[in-house]
Amino acid sequence: GAGVSQTPSNKVTEKGKYVELRCDPISGHTALYWYRQSLGQGPEFLIYFQGTGAADDSGLPNDRFFAVRPEGSVSTLKIQRTERGDSAVYLCASSLTHGYNEQFFGPGTRLTVL
Amino acid sequence: SQQGEEDPQALSIQEGENATMNCSYKTSINNLQWYRQNSGRGLVHLILIRSNEREKHSGRLRVTLDTSKKSSSLLITASRAADTASYFCATDEGGANNLFFGTGTRLTVIP
Repeated sequence: GAGVSQTPSNKVTEKGKYVELRCDPISGHTALYWYRQSLGQGPEFLIYFQGTGAADDSGLPNDRFFAVRPEGSVSTLKIQRTERGDSAVYLCASSLTHGYNEQFFGPGTRLTVL
Repeated sequence: SQQGEEDPQALSIQEGENATMNCSYKTSINNLQWYRQNSGRGLVHLILIRSNEREKHSGRLRVTLDTSKKSSSLLITASRAADTASYFCATDEGGANNLFFGTGTRLTVIP
């Protein structure tokens, strides 16, 4: 596609449930990033992939959060045992390669944990 | 954690006026980027300025960077109602490419 796409656009779940958020980066972009944005705040870095491997996962808040990118394209962010504090907009971005380049963002997934 | 801090937090101007937003950061950077966000979704890249550049222009946008003061400014000239959005600066802390965003400036342009 022409841009980064994310599905679903909205996700409502109950506390304790498991959720998966999907990101389709721009074709040919080797670097992929996940961010989380709470209301009134700027995006906060979660994890970065170069190809299939997670090059930096230092932003993941705890071990309930996990992300994969098995074929170096589509990525899935997985959240186990969701908590109300996980409610936020989850943004995915991609760039042509790692290294001080412009990142192209998707529209985000708004996660609401009841 | 967030590194860039925007100032002001909110700005309201009349259409046609210029809007200036400022960003300060704490550590050394390789580049600084400005993004726009409408309605809390999907950031749009506006401009990237490298640490060895002092000023950059793109259409109605002018960005300056002062590495000695660890600050940047974004100027939007001849503002339009469609410029209403939140504007964020983002830096690459310590050479990484994992962007650190500020809390943003919410700009309202009144028609």
